[in-house]
Amino acid sequence: EVQLVQSGAEVKKPGESLKISCKGSGYSFTSYWIGWVRQMPGKGLEWMGIIYPGDSDTRYSPSFQGQVTISADKSISTAYLQWSSLKASDTAMYYCARHTTTIFGGGPPDYWGQGTLVTVSS
Amino acid sequence: QSALTQPASVSGSPGQSITISCTGTSSDVGGYNYVSWYQQHPGKAPKLMIYDVSNRPSGVSNRFSGSKSGNTASLTISGLQAEDEADYYCSSYTSSSSYVVFGGGTKLTVL
Repeated sequence: EVQLVQSGAEVKKPGESLKISCKGSGYSFTSYWIGWVRQMPGKGLEWMGIIYPGDSDTRYSPSFQGQVTISADKSISTAYLQWSSLKASDTAMYYCARHTTTIFGGGPPDYWGQGTLVTVSS
Repeated sequence: QSALTQPASVSGSPGQSITISCTGTSSDVGGYNYVSWYQQHPGKAPKLMIYDVSNRPSGVSNRFSGSKSGNTASLTISGLQAEDEADYYCSSYTSSSSYVVFGGGTKLTVL
């Protein structure tokens, strides 16, 4: 059974750094793209970016390029999303998701983690 | 503004059928058969309902079906049930620099 288990909720202050995690199991972690999706309070889903753990190829949405860093440690089947300096507008639920495979690389997500709520407030 | 356009809301009575549309361009929905649909109940993670336009994952009810015509994909739910009340999102591969795009979401109300 494919499972993605995310780290717990975080409360941070503006300007602080943060790294959240997503551990995959039940499938070959290095053979599927895995990425992150943001959902701000009361809003829709926004695709942030993906990484292919097999070779660390990483692709970002232009909206999030330079704002976050996506990484993965294939030795422990874990993907990460990190911020160097949080803003109040980063307050949201963040979902990790395994992505389907297309002939072009990653496609839409299939399996989802349970979400990590990040709250940024002074 | 989302890259894919969905109606903000749809409604139907138990037992009826409803269809949710998802309109994109030839760079995403119209150009590739990589369209997925998700169901999201309040406070829960999204759940895959349809992938590759019209395929159902194991365990998803056959009341859910997907199709595509030109730049518009559609999700049809037949025999509406109270438990179908949720938000529904479409997603597509895109040849733009984003790789994956979502629709803005549709709130389904079962009357």
